[in-house]
Amino acid sequence: DGGITQSPKYLFRKEGQNVTLSCEQNLNHDAMYWYRQDPGQGLRLIYYSQIVNDFQKGDIAEGYSVTREKKESFPLTVTSAQKNPTAFYLCASSFGYGAEAFFGQGTRLTVV
Amino acid sequence: GENVEQHPSTLSVQEGDSAVIKCTYSDSASNYFPWYKQELGKRPQLIIDIRSNVGEKKDQRIAVTLNKTAKHFSLHITETQPGDSAVYFCATSWGKLQFGAGTQVVVTP
Repeated sequence: DGGITQSPKYLFRKEGQNVTLSCEQNLNHDAMYWYRQDPGQGLRLIYYSQIVNDFQKGDIAEGYSVTREKKESFPLTVTSAQKNPTAFYLCASSFGYGAEAFFGQGTRLTVV
Repeated sequence: GENVEQHPSTLSVQEGDSAVIKCTYSDSASNYFPWYKQELGKRPQLIIDIRSNVGEKKDQRIAVTLNKTAKHFSLHITETQPGDSAVYFCATSWGKLQFGAGTQVVVTP
């Protein structure tokens, strides 16, 4: 089954712990993106990558980190430096500039 | 960075009426303008897109118009149905894909 997969769907962590969200795609897409979705604030770009071993900060990168060691994978780490980590996180991928982006089903992170 | 403003934030329409959502952007290098629909509890999905060399595009009941000079583009939904109720996002792309804040559309029977 082709597509983009995020895991887990729900994640709970204690304050002060780092946590890594998984995003895998088998669509052979070059570009991958991470967004944070909060009520009334749309989709805010955290990080994006257009090619393996290269990524750029989005609008709200502080407190987050990513790696892009494989074309298929773009994991996002929410560090303890992120002040308000509780949110819904969406990963997306596309063939590149000007191409349709496909989204994963999202991960809802709750930090207590 | 790119700033995408989307209006209105909520839109309530009677079934059968039209709905219009407008977006403005700041980066003149943007050349791809997609619209996504997100139903409750689901992931966003592309419903229509337009490129900078085209002024208008239609797909059945939905259409998008682009004014590159004024840096704004709009989504038009005609003959609205209850199934059109969702959050709609506009986006722009030049390298990174950036989204507006979304419009909650409610279609009442």
